[in-house]
Amino acid sequence: KQEVTQIPAALSVPEGENLVLNCSFTDSAIYNLQWFRQDPGKGLTSLLLIQSSQREQTSGRLNASLDKSSGRSTLYIAASQPGDSATYLCAVTQGGSEKLVFGKGTKLTVNP
Amino acid sequence: GAGVSQTPSNKVTEKGKYVELRCDPISGHTALYWYRQSLGQGPEFLIYFQGTGAADDSGLPNDRFFAVRPEGSVSTLKIQRTERGDSAVYLCASSPWDFASEQFFGPGTRLTVL
Repeated sequence: KQEVTQIPAALSVPEGENLVLNCSFTDSAIYNLQWFRQDPGKGLTSLLLIQSSQREQTSGRLNASLDKSSGRSTLYIAASQPGDSATYLCAVTQGGSEKLVFGKGTKLTVNP
Repeated sequence: GAGVSQTPSNKVTEKGKYVELRCDPISGHTALYWYRQSLGQGPEFLIYFQGTGAADDSGLPNDRFFAVRPEGSVSTLKIQRTERGDSAVYLCASSPWDFASEQFFGPGTRLTVL
């Protein structure tokens, strides 16, 4: 059974800092990995999708990498801003299935 | 519409009652997914539709839960004889095709069972 773990559970940083969020998964037979952002009381906003054949994806200040063989992904946020404060979730699509398996998320607070 | 919409945004009901939660996917998206998110947890998969048919319902917790998508667009998640443990945020997502494509989520319905 696929399990997704996100470390740390919570992170607090000063504005302007570069930071890395970690995601690991137990079964490397995935189709893709998606990073989401969730604001309090809101739904999920898709940030980046990495296909299993890709190593990384970039969008603005965000860069996500994928090492499928080791079961790891990282989300790098450059020059963090208070508006980046949210919970960040990673999820994988398991081979042979369309469903996303999520981690519990990392709650990020960027202090002005 | 521009995104996935879900109604109602909040639903409060009493234990034992029946509830229906509605999801309107992005126009043209053939795949539709339901997830459930409890406080402090990541979303958990419930059911996936490709067109009108349920392609994977392995996440439905028991036979009190049922979902339909009769015309391949709007979907309704139905919960019979609600229990306090059903309280959660129910999220709907859609994607343009069924092979591991990006999923786009709605704002969710917060269900509270008293």
